[in-house]
Amino acid sequence: AQSVSQHNHHVILSEAASLELGCNYSYGGTVNLFWYVQYPGQHLQLLLKYFSGDPLVKGIKGFEAEFIKSKFSFNLRKPSVQWSDTAEYFCAVIRNSGYSTLTFGKGTMLLVSP
Amino acid sequence: ETGVTQSPTHLIKTRGQQVTLRCSSQSGHNTVSWYQQALGQGPQFIFQYYREEENGRGNFPPRFSGLQFPNYSSELNVNALELDDSALYLCASSYQAGPAYEQYFGPGTRLTVT
Repeated sequence: AQSVSQHNHHVILSEAASLELGCNYSYGGTVNLFWYVQYPGQHLQLLLKYFSGDPLVKGIKGFEAEFIKSKFSFNLRKPSVQWSDTAEYFCAVIRNSGYSTLTFGKGTMLLVSP
Repeated sequence: ETGVTQSPTHLIKTRGQQVTLRCSSQSGHNTVSWYQQALGQGPQFIFQYYREEENGRGNFPPRFSGLQFPNYSSELNVNALELDDSALYLCASSYQAGPAYEQYFGPGTRLTVT
Protein backbone atom coordinates (compact mmCIF):
# COMPACT_ATOMS: atom_id res chain seq x y z
CA ALA A 1 0.00 0.00 0.00
CA GLN A 2 1.06 3.51 -0.72
CA SER A 3 2.24 5.53 2.28
CA VAL A 4 3.65 8.96 3.04
CA SER A 5 6.08 9.66 5.87
CA GLN A 6 6.74 13.06 7.33
CA HIS A 7 9.88 13.13 9.39
CA ASN A 8 8.94 15.55 12.13
CA HIS A 9 5.66 15.79 13.98
CA HIS A 10 6.50 19.13 15.63
CA VAL A 11 8.98 21.80 14.61
CA ILE A 12 9.69 24.99 16.55
CA LEU A 13 11.60 27.82 14.88
CA SER A 14 12.33 31.45 15.50
CA GLU A 15 11.34 34.03 12.92
CA ALA A 16 13.84 34.36 10.06
CA ALA A 17 15.11 30.80 10.55
CA SER A 18 15.22 28.50 7.54
CA LEU A 19 12.73 25.67 7.26
CA GLU A 20 12.96 22.23 5.74
CA LEU A 21 10.22 19.65 6.28
CA GLY A 22 10.91 16.13 5.11
CA CYS A 23 8.50 13.95 3.17
CA ASN A 24 9.04 10.48 1.72
CA TYR A 25 6.55 8.29 -0.10
CA SER A 26 6.57 4.58 -0.76
CA TYR A 27 4.81 4.19 -4.11
CA GLY A 28 7.11 3.14 -6.97
CA GLY A 29 5.05 4.30 -9.92
CA THR A 30 4.48 7.77 -11.30
CA VAL A 31 3.00 10.10 -8.71
CA ASN A 32 1.82 13.64 -8.32
CA LEU A 33 3.02 15.31 -5.13
CA PHE A 34 1.49 18.02 -2.99
CA TRP A 35 2.05 20.08 0.12
CA TYR A 36 -1.04 21.35 1.89
CA VAL A 37 -1.17 23.80 4.77
CA GLN A 38 -3.78 24.18 7.49
CA TYR A 39 -3.59 27.48 9.37
CA PRO A 40 -5.23 27.55 12.81
CA GLY A 41 -9.00 27.54 12.40
CA GLN A 42 -8.84 27.42 8.62
CA HIS A 43 -9.41 24.78 5.97
CA LEU A 44 -6.73 22.79 4.18
CA GLN A 45 -5.26 24.71 1.28
CA LEU A 46 -2.77 23.84 -1.42
CA LEU A 47 0.73 25.24 -0.92
CA LEU A 48 2.34 23.75 -4.01
CA LYS A 49 2.28 20.74 -6.30
CA TYR A 50 4.53 18.73 -8.57
CA PHE A 51 3.22 16.88 -11.59
CA SER A 52 6.18 16.78 -13.96
CA GLY A 53 9.03 18.87 -15.33
CA ASP A 54 11.36 20.95 -13.18
CA PRO A 55 11.72 19.06 -9.90
CA LEU A 56 12.05 22.33 -7.98
CA VAL A 57 8.60 23.80 -7.63
CA LYS A 58 7.64 27.12 -6.14
CA GLY A 59 4.43 27.70 -4.26
CA ILE A 60 2.65 30.46 -2.45
CA LYS A 61 4.13 32.57 0.36
CA GLY A 62 7.74 31.87 -0.57
CA PHE A 63 7.60 28.10 -0.13
CA GLU A 64 9.33 25.70 -2.49
CA ALA A 65 9.77 21.95 -2.67
CA GLU A 66 12.19 19.66 -4.44
CA PHE A 67 11.22 16.29 -5.90
CA ILE A 68 14.07 13.78 -5.78
CA LYS A 69 12.81 10.69 -7.58
CA SER A 70 15.73 8.46 -6.57
CA LYS A 71 15.04 9.19 -2.91
CA PHE A 72 11.23 9.13 -3.17
CA SER A 73 11.31 12.50 -1.44
CA PHE A 74 9.51 15.81 -1.74
CA ASN A 75 10.89 18.11 0.94
CA LEU A 76 9.37 21.50 1.65
CA ARG A 77 11.62 24.52 2.19
CA LYS A 78 11.43 28.19 3.03
CA PRO A 79 14.55 30.34 3.48
CA SER A 80 13.12 32.58 6.18
CA VAL A 81 9.97 31.77 8.14
CA GLN A 82 7.53 34.27 9.58
CA TRP A 83 5.27 34.06 12.61
CA SER A 84 2.33 33.80 10.19
CA ASP A 85 3.72 30.49 8.89
CA THR A 86 2.62 28.83 12.12
CA ALA A 87 0.39 26.03 10.84
CA GLU A 88 0.18 22.31 10.20
CA TYR A 89 1.78 21.10 6.98
CA PHE A 90 0.76 17.94 5.15
CA CYS A 91 2.57 16.16 2.37
CA ALA A 92 0.30 14.17 0.03
CA VAL A 93 0.63 11.90 -2.96
CA ILE A 94 -1.69 10.84 -5.78
CA ARG A 95 -0.86 7.95 -8.03
CA ASN A 96 -0.80 9.18 -11.61
CA SER A 97 -3.35 6.58 -12.69
CA GLY A 98 -6.83 5.57 -11.71
CA TYR A 99 -8.97 7.71 -9.47
CA SER A 100 -7.61 10.66 -7.59
CA THR A 101 -7.02 9.39 -4.05
CA LEU A 102 -4.86 11.70 -2.02
CA THR A 103 -2.72 9.83 0.49
CA PHE A 104 -1.57 12.17 3.25
CA GLY A 105 1.27 12.05 5.73
CA LYS A 106 0.52 12.55 9.41
CA GLY A 107 1.42 16.21 9.26
CA THR A 108 4.05 18.48 10.80
CA MET A 109 2.99 21.16 13.22
CA LEU A 110 5.22 24.22 12.75
CA LEU A 111 5.36 26.82 15.48
CA VAL A 112 7.23 30.02 14.68
CA SER A 113 8.07 32.20 17.63
CA PRO A 114 8.32 35.97 17.05
CA GLU B 1 -11.75 30.42 1.33
CA THR B 2 -12.82 27.81 -1.20
CA GLY B 3 -16.37 27.51 -2.48
CA VAL B 4 -16.80 24.20 -0.64
CA THR B 5 -19.15 24.33 2.32
CA GLN B 6 -19.93 21.68 4.91
CA SER B 7 -22.65 21.32 7.50
CA PRO B 8 -22.94 21.09 10.36
CA THR B 9 -19.75 22.58 11.78
CA HIS B 10 -19.82 20.49 14.92
CA LEU B 11 -21.86 17.49 15.97
CA ILE B 12 -22.05 15.35 19.09
CA LYS B 13 -23.55 11.87 18.83
CA THR B 14 -23.85 8.83 21.03
CA ARG B 15 -22.31 5.47 20.23
CA GLY B 16 -24.66 3.38 18.09
CA GLN B 17 -26.43 6.37 16.53
CA GLN B 18 -26.39 7.35 12.88
CA VAL B 19 -25.14 10.63 11.41
CA THR B 20 -25.38 12.46 8.09
CA LEU B 21 -22.85 15.06 7.05
CA ARG B 22 -23.35 17.36 4.09
CA CYS B 23 -21.09 18.99 1.54
CA SER B 24 -21.74 21.51 -1.19
CA SER B 25 -19.10 21.42 -3.88
CA GLN B 26 -17.54 24.42 -5.55
CA SER B 27 -19.46 25.70 -8.55
CA GLY B 28 -18.58 23.76 -11.70
CA HIS B 29 -17.09 20.81 -9.83
CA ASN B 30 -18.55 17.33 -10.44
CA THR B 31 -16.31 15.28 -8.14
CA VAL B 32 -16.47 15.08 -4.36
CA SER B 33 -14.11 13.19 -2.08
CA TRP B 34 -14.55 12.57 1.63
CA TYR B 35 -11.73 12.24 4.14
CA GLN B 36 -11.55 11.43 7.85
CA GLN B 37 -8.93 13.28 9.91
CA ALA B 38 -8.46 11.82 13.37
CA LEU B 39 -6.64 13.86 16.00
CA GLY B 40 -2.92 14.03 15.27
CA GLN B 41 -3.26 12.28 11.92
CA GLY B 42 -3.42 13.28 8.30
CA PRO B 43 -6.69 13.01 6.38
CA GLN B 44 -7.60 9.48 5.28
CA PHE B 45 -9.57 8.86 2.11
CA ILE B 46 -13.07 7.44 2.66
CA PHE B 47 -14.58 7.51 -0.84
CA GLN B 48 -15.08 9.63 -3.92
CA TYR B 49 -18.15 10.42 -6.00
CA TYR B 50 -18.00 11.39 -9.64
CA ARG B 51 -21.19 12.36 -11.43
CA GLU B 52 -23.36 10.67 -8.79
CA GLU B 53 -21.48 7.35 -8.86
CA GLU B 54 -18.98 6.04 -6.30
CA ASN B 55 -15.60 6.28 -8.01
CA GLY B 56 -13.31 4.72 -5.43
CA ARG B 57 -13.29 3.74 -1.79
CA GLY B 58 -10.68 3.66 0.93
CA ASN B 59 -10.31 1.18 3.76
CA PHE B 60 -13.52 2.02 5.60
CA PRO B 61 -16.30 -0.40 6.58
CA PRO B 62 -19.68 -0.47 4.78
CA ARG B 63 -21.34 1.48 7.59
CA PHE B 64 -19.70 4.49 5.95
CA SER B 65 -21.83 5.29 2.91
CA GLY B 66 -22.43 8.25 0.70
CA LEU B 67 -24.49 9.89 -1.95
CA GLN B 68 -23.98 12.50 -4.59
CA PHE B 69 -26.90 14.49 -5.91
CA PRO B 70 -27.57 15.86 -9.42
CA ASN B 71 -26.27 19.28 -8.30
CA TYR B 72 -23.06 17.45 -7.22
CA SER B 73 -23.53 18.14 -3.54
CA SER B 74 -22.86 15.11 -1.39
CA GLU B 75 -23.69 13.36 1.87
CA LEU B 76 -21.64 11.11 4.09
CA ASN B 77 -23.65 8.73 6.27
CA VAL B 78 -22.20 6.77 9.15
CA ASN B 79 -24.28 4.08 10.85
CA ALA B 80 -23.73 2.42 14.21
CA LEU B 81 -21.31 5.09 15.38
CA GLU B 82 -18.25 4.01 17.33
CA LEU B 83 -16.04 6.06 19.62
CA ASP B 84 -13.21 5.85 17.06
CA ASP B 85 -15.39 7.64 14.53
CA SER B 86 -14.72 10.86 16.43
CA ALA B 87 -12.79 12.97 13.94
CA LEU B 88 -12.85 15.92 11.57
CA TYR B 89 -14.62 14.94 8.35
CA LEU B 90 -13.40 16.79 5.30
CA CYS B 91 -15.04 17.13 1.95
CA ALA B 92 -13.09 18.12 -1.14
CA SER B 93 -14.40 18.94 -4.59
CA SER B 94 -12.62 19.02 -7.92
CA TYR B 95 -13.50 20.03 -11.46
CA GLN B 96 -13.15 16.44 -12.67
CA ALA B 97 -12.04 13.11 -11.26
CA GLY B 98 -8.43 12.20 -11.90
CA PRO B 99 -5.03 13.00 -10.40
CA ALA B 100 -4.47 16.15 -12.47
CA TYR B 101 -7.34 18.05 -10.88
CA GLU B 102 -6.77 20.02 -7.70
CA GLN B 103 -9.02 19.16 -4.78
CA TYR B 104 -10.47 22.10 -2.86
CA PHE B 105 -11.26 21.38 0.75
CA GLY B 106 -14.12 22.55 2.89
CA PRO B 107 -13.76 23.59 6.53
CA GLY B 108 -14.83 20.19 7.83
CA THR B 109 -17.37 18.83 10.28
CA ARG B 110 -16.09 17.96 13.75
CA LEU B 111 -17.88 14.80 14.93
CA THR B 112 -17.63 13.74 18.54
CA VAL B 113 -18.99 10.33 19.53
CA THR B 114 -19.59 9.76 23.24
